[in-house]
Amino acid sequence: EPEVTQTPSHQVTQMGQEVILRCVPISNHLYFYWYRQILGQKVEFLVSFYNNEISEKSEIFDDQFSVERPDGSNFTLKIRSTKLEDSAMYFCASIPRDNQETQYFGPGTRLLVL
Amino acid sequence: DAKTTQPNSMESNEEEPVHLPCNHSTISGTDYIHWYRQLPSQGPEYVIHGLTSNVNNRMASLAIAEDRKSSTLILHRATLRDAAVYYCILRDWGGTSYGKLTFGQGTILTVHP
Repeated sequence: EPEVTQTPSHQVTQMGQEVILRCVPISNHLYFYWYRQILGQKVEFLVSFYNNEISEKSEIFDDQFSVERPDGSNFTLKIRSTKLEDSAMYFCASIPRDNQETQYFGPGTRLLVL
Repeated sequence: DAKTTQPNSMESNEEEPVHLPCNHSTISGTDYIHWYRQLPSQGPEYVIHGLTSNVNNRMASLAIAEDRKSSTLILHRATLRDAAVYYCILRDWGGTSYGKLTFGQGTILTVHP
């Protein structure tokens, strides 16, 4: 069964550095999402992406964050200048064309900002 | 999105049925009831969803109250692998929500051997 994949699985970075988290959604999926989960807290929506543009973003998704789908397969989340509080698990998700009620999540990238 | 209320935690024994409740008294007519679960150190995983009628799939059953103000996720025979956090989420696909999921704290299900 096709899966959403994310790389890297873990990333450690210094505060102020840029990070790019990568996701490969399932082929032919339509909507794409990023969520994050700070350790011990609930999963929080960051941004949704459809038709090559952001369709909705949360208050967390400020101008330090950006998303891209540069080549029709990869879906990336960039954090320009990381802060300590950006340490979290970041999950990518996507929705298929033929079953828009089911969201498929990747395994996540654990980001640690020192 | 309308709010849901779930117990913080529940326990079950292996091979016994588990009924996970969810209250959603402010549900609107266009809200679908979704259940996801999150196994330890993994991303959330879709379990089941419904609108008005009870639903069954290979993972679970969803029983929806007639007034839709509550629902119950039923795992017919719990296994150790079912130990996870279970989230009940209301999702209005219409409007401007673009399908985002709003997670609460969920119910931590512990399954004892």
